[in-house]
Amino acid sequence: DGGITQSPKYLFRKEGQNVTLSCEQNLNHDAMYWYRQDPGQGLRLIYYSQIVNDFQKGDIAEGYSVSREKKESFPLTVTSAQKNPTAFYLCASSPGWQGSLIEQFFGPGTRLTVL
Amino acid sequence: DQQVKQNSPSLSVQEGRISILNCDYTNSMFDYFLWYKKYPAEGPTFLISISSIKDKNEDGRFTVFLNKSAKHLSLHIVPSQPGDSAVYFCAASGYGGSQGNLIFGKGTKLSVKP
Repeated sequence: DGGITQSPKYLFRKEGQNVTLSCEQNLNHDAMYWYRQDPGQGLRLIYYSQIVNDFQKGDIAEGYSVSREKKESFPLTVTSAQKNPTAFYLCASSPGWQGSLIEQFFGPGTRLTVL
Repeated sequence: DQQVKQNSPSLSVQEGRISILNCDYTNSMFDYFLWYKKYPAEGPTFLISISSIKDKNEDGRFTVFLNKSAKHLSLHIVPSQPGDSAVYFCAASGYGGSQGNLIFGKGTKLSVKP
């Protein structure tokens, strides 16, 4: 089956610890994205990558880092510098980044809770 | 400042009737618009899209209308079913957006009552 996988579904970490959320896609999509959703809020873009070995900051990149060493993988690290890390994190991918190619397919999400 | 706005946080509709979800945008450079449906604790799923060269796109029970002069789009669901109860996000893209990325509204929670 083609799709996007995120693991784990639920993640608990102590305050001050870095944590890495995984995102894998087998859709052969060029572009990948990370979003954060908070209660009553829309999806806010953290980082995006339009091609392997390249990525750009989104609207709320502070306290996060990413890498794109492989086309199918786009892990997100939530660092201790992120002041409010508890949230629902969504990974997405799209065939490209213009016109109809921008249609994004989402993974199931990871709920991160920092204690 | 929000570039994509969904001014109604919630909408309640009776089963079998029409649901109309609205979305306004401020950036005239947006040229592609999408609607996503999201259940709690799940990722959004794509519903329907429309290019700025069209004013209507239909897919089964779902129709999206685009009024470029008013910078407004709407999603019509006819007939509404209880399984349609979810949060619906409007999204926009274009060269005037964030380098081709999607800009999402805050969502409208639709409740379809049996």
